[in-house]
Parts: sequence; C-alpha cells; structure tokens
Amino acid sequence: SYDLTQPPSVSVSPGQTASITCSGDKLGNKYVNWYQQKPGQSPLLVIFHDTKRPSGIPERFSGSNSGNTATLTISGTQALDEADYYCQAWDNSNGVFGGGTKLTVL
Amino acid sequence: QVTLRESGPALVKPTQTLTLTCTFSGFSLNTSDMRVSWIRQPPGKALEWLARIDWNDHKVYSTSLETRLTISKDTSKNQVVFTMTKLDPVDTATYYCARTIVNFSPYYYYMDVWGRGTTVTVSS
Repeated sequence: SYDLTQPPSVSVSPGQTASITCSGDKLGNKYVNWYQQKPGQSPLLVIFHDTKRPSGIPERFSGSNSGNTATLTISGTQALDEADYYCQAWDNSNGVFGGGTKLTVL
Repeated sequence: QVTLRESGPALVKPTQTLTLTCTFSGFSLNTSDMRVSWIRQPPGKALEWLARIDWNDHKVYSTSLETRLTISKDTSKNQVVFTMTKLDPVDTATYYCARTIVNFSPYYYYMDVWGRGTTVTVSS
C-alpha cells in the first residue's frame, strides 16, 4: 500500500511562515490535495492539484510538489490557521491520507 | 450551494452491518465529472478513505477493507448508500461523505465539499 508521511506537529509564531511537509515514494508523480480540519469540524479543502486554491481560501495558503515531497506553506500565519492539516493523494484510484500535522500558532 | 448530509445509526453492535446514507444537494451524480467518496476518522486519529462511486456506477473500495464494503447510489433521490459488514469496536469513528470532482485534462480529482459527518460507535 502507498503511504504518506507528515510530521505530527509544527509550531509557528503569528505572522511567520509555516511549512508542512508530506512525503511519499515518487509523490511528485501524483497530484496532492491538502485539507484543514479544526476541532469538531469537517475537513476543508485548502489546496488541490498540488498548487490550486479553491474559491474563498486566502492567498497565504500555497502548495508545491516535487520529487518525494509535497509542501503546504502558510505565509503570514494567523491564529485562526491553527488546525490539523492532512495531505491526500490517489494511488491506483484509492485515496490515501497522510497521518496529519497539528499546526500550533504561538 | 452544494451540501451533503450523512445519516445512520449512532450505535451498532459488534458483528452487525452498518448502513449509512449520504443525501446531497446542489449537484447531480448524473454528470461525468462527479463522484461521491466516503471517509472515516476514528476519535483522535487520522482520516481514512473508504470508497468512491462514480456517475456511471463505477465503484472503488479501499484495498484493506474492500471485502466488507459496499457503495451504491440512487440518483433519483440524490443519495449514496454505504455499508460495512462485520463491525468491530475499531470501526468506531466519524464517517464523512464528500463530493469528489474530476478534472479531465489533465486528469485529477479532489474532495471539495464534505458533510458534517456522523459518529458511529461500535459497542455491545
């Protein structure tokens, strides 16, 4: 089975840049989506097709994917960005999620 | 406005079968770029993708669970039904359905709108 690996936690100061990585074998050959989940809420799509932002997602969210690593970058991180973030890809039509990264803004 | 809502039992006994319904609005499963996926999340744990059904009734199941899963659709009712057999306490989770959109050129797809989820506890 295909695995995606994320760091369990990332901390960032308000206004700084947060980077959350997602690693998988030849991940750059797949398209990666990113979801934000706040406590008690459903996941929210923040990046799809590696780099695209859905309507309504702030420009401070961006994504990249190359080699074995995809990265979600949040520029000018705000307190309201504190959440769990999950990367997701498709492997032979099967959905695969990373283990999630808890972003703490302190 | 696209919405999805999951419904089903909150409590299921071990060995029983779970049946969940996803009722959606704002889109149709009759168009080639639409699918619906099911995903679950055990308490305090990560998301796990379970199954997907496409507009043409093509179905894809998680390879680790496929012997226990069934997904079907009723296009006239805008519903997708998900069943899981042989429930075990480890299946305790919040179950989500999500609209899955396909872009054909280049080919990629993503889950863009999720329901609120329904919590299922497996316990005797």
